[in-house]
Amino acid sequence: SAVISQKPSRDICQRGTSLTIQCQVDSQVTMMFWYRQQPGQSLTLIATANQGSEATYESGFVIDKFPISRPNLTFSTLTVSNLSPEDSSIYLCSVEGRGTSTDTQYFGPGTRLTVL
Amino acid sequence: KQEVTQIPAALSVPEGENLVLNCSFTDSAIYNLQWFRQDPGKGLTSLLLIQSSQREQTSGRLNASLDKSSGRSTLYIAASQPGDSATYLCAVAGSARQLTFGSGTQLTVLP
Repeated sequence: SAVISQKPSRDICQRGTSLTIQCQVDSQVTMMFWYRQQPGQSLTLIATANQGSEATYESGFVIDKFPISRPNLTFSTLTVSNLSPEDSSIYLCSVEGRGTSTDTQYFGPGTRLTVL
Repeated sequence: KQEVTQIPAALSVPEGENLVLNCSFTDSAIYNLQWFRQDPGKGLTSLLLIQSSQREQTSGRLNASLDKSSGRSTLYIAASQPGDSATYLCAVAGSARQLTFGSGTQLTVLP
């Protein structure tokens, strides 16, 4: 299995600001994913972040709002820009690939964002 | 677009009962199917993964089945315990490994 940490674990932000979330894995992995879980909802994929290439965004998510970096095989960041109360959610990263059991996705503990 | 449905949305059972959680998906062209557990305020824990070529997987008191042609999976929990109380999520992986999640079944096991 993979051990994944996220920072911050929670934050309260003002409307119009941005928050950058970090995801760190204890082993090198090929594929990293960012998900959003809105209050009372299930998880929705935001984007796939593979090292050495641009992130691939799902329908309804755009790079200007959710820029992602993937500088190496153990780290990624997701920025949520120009925050509004509708962005209040839990944001989770997950990994699959080298260093993990084949095909299983492992999730970080999540970052709980509240926008005032 | 893949859609995943889980029934029931909530389930409450007395300790010791065997139970079945249901998951259905609309596109049978899946890479694999995973069952996760989510505890309040915590991340997701992977329970079982079934490859698209497999029919079932077992881990301890858990057994998951997959019928890809009919777009269905079940998670069977034997001899339920209060510690099993959590939200159970079914997720289907596409060819790019992206997961589409169901809305979950909130399970409460009463002592």
